[in-house]
Amino acid sequence: AQKITQTQPGMFVQEKEAVTLDCTYDTSDPSYGLFWYKQPSSGEMIFLIYQGSYDQQNATEGRYSLNFQKARKSANLVISASQLGDSAMYFCAMREGQAGTALIFGKGTTLSVSS
Amino acid sequence: DTEVTQTPKHLVMGMTNKKSLKCEQHMGHRAMYWYKQKAKKPPELMFVYSYEKLSINESVPSRFSPECPNSSLLNLHLHALQPEDSALYLCASSQSLALETRKAYEQYFGPGTRLTVT
Repeated sequence: AQKITQTQPGMFVQEKEAVTLDCTYDTSDPSYGLFWYKQPSSGEMIFLIYQGSYDQQNATEGRYSLNFQKARKSANLVISASQLGDSAMYFCAMREGQAGTALIFGKGTTLSVSS
Repeated sequence: DTEVTQTPKHLVMGMTNKKSLKCEQHMGHRAMYWYKQKAKKPPELMFVYSYEKLSINESVPSRFSPECPNSSLLNLHLHALQPEDSALYLCASSQSLALETRKAYEQYFGPGTRLTVT
């Protein structure tokens, strides 16, 4: 079974609108963390936001927020007020157990923002 | 400063060549990683170094040889590669494998080296 599932291969949004990118995960480890990365066509993986399994509040970083629903095992990324520069591939990733273990990535969602 | 640098940006090599990829970070991170990413696929872990010692090797063929000469540098030595090894090679770093803090989990990636094996 896949550990990280991103069901949206592609998403389209207009500038200034909000968009939600879906991510569900599967783990039996009580200690885990969820990440979102942005990868533009240039290739660099840009860290956006992190949510730990024990965090009480949903993570927010500027225009990015993570809608963490532990019981549903979902960690959706919400981008508010989309910009043209947000067009990129977005990966959800998970680490299990202690810090530094490998990140397990989902297949990614391509976001296209139009004017 | 959350910068991880990688050189070269692009590399074309023949199957008999020997080349090296370099990665550098000056954030004081003590865990460093190599990932391989094929086009339109997610990154796949190759190696993890913790405090300059190899801690994870994900069954990578011996034609890939990692090296961590000091806490800031990570190399990937390439020899006798195959065309299917053509990919984007990403280096990443994080604070430490030992710390159980929020910041310890954040992995920062470099821009990658696009490798083509002919």
